[in-house]
Amino acid sequence: DAKTTQPNSMESNEEEPVHLPCNHSTISGTDYIHWYRQLPSQGPEYVIHGLTSNVNNRMASLAIAEDRKSSTLILHRATLRDAAVYYCILRSFQGAQKLVFGQGTRLTINP
Amino acid sequence: GAGVSQSPSNKVTEKGKDVELRCDPISGHTALYWYRQSLGQGLEFLIYFQGNSAPDKSGLPSDRFSAERTGGSVSTLTIQRTQQEDSAVYLCASSFQIAGGLETQYFGPGTRLLVL
Repeated sequence: DAKTTQPNSMESNEEEPVHLPCNHSTISGTDYIHWYRQLPSQGPEYVIHGLTSNVNNRMASLAIAEDRKSSTLILHRATLRDAAVYYCILRSFQGAQKLVFGQGTRLTINP
Repeated sequence: GAGVSQSPSNKVTEKGKDVELRCDPISGHTALYWYRQSLGQGLEFLIYFQGNSAPDKSGLPSDRFSAERTGGSVSTLTIQRTQQEDSAVYLCASSFQIAGGLETQYFGPGTRLLVL
């Protein structure tokens, strides 16, 4: 699986937007970009995924660069409950079913 | 509906003992995964089941680790002769398998294993 690079940690304030970057310069044409997050003392949970176009759902937005070598997860209005480790993961429909987790970005939200 | 459940939530055992960890996937989910999360290693894949068969066991760290799934539902991860380095949170996930294999995985709360 192609590798992703994320900052180890980020900090933001409550009710402000948060932009979490992910670099994936070796992404292949069959790779989808997935985001999961892990709240404290819980298992990971799915956030969003996309292939080429920007995506929105009730939790977040995903902005994908035109060359697909990077992407940004956007939390439009962070709450304290959004404090978690966020993982950017590449998944190919031609590849294995498992999720390959990197170190992720630990997001801290200040009240 | 009910999510993925795991039992026990916590397990303390002595080095050398065998342990069994149980996972109840979401009803109807055909795929089941085991991962573990330890302080030094992050989140790592162990094994994947499609139905009762395991097409990918590549993450099992040694032959002390085994897993089975029966009736296409409940799965048990067994660790024989536990070692202190086996201490970790063991996470189970399940998904509804669709063509293309990009389905969302739903995780349980994990079993925290401590080997003394």
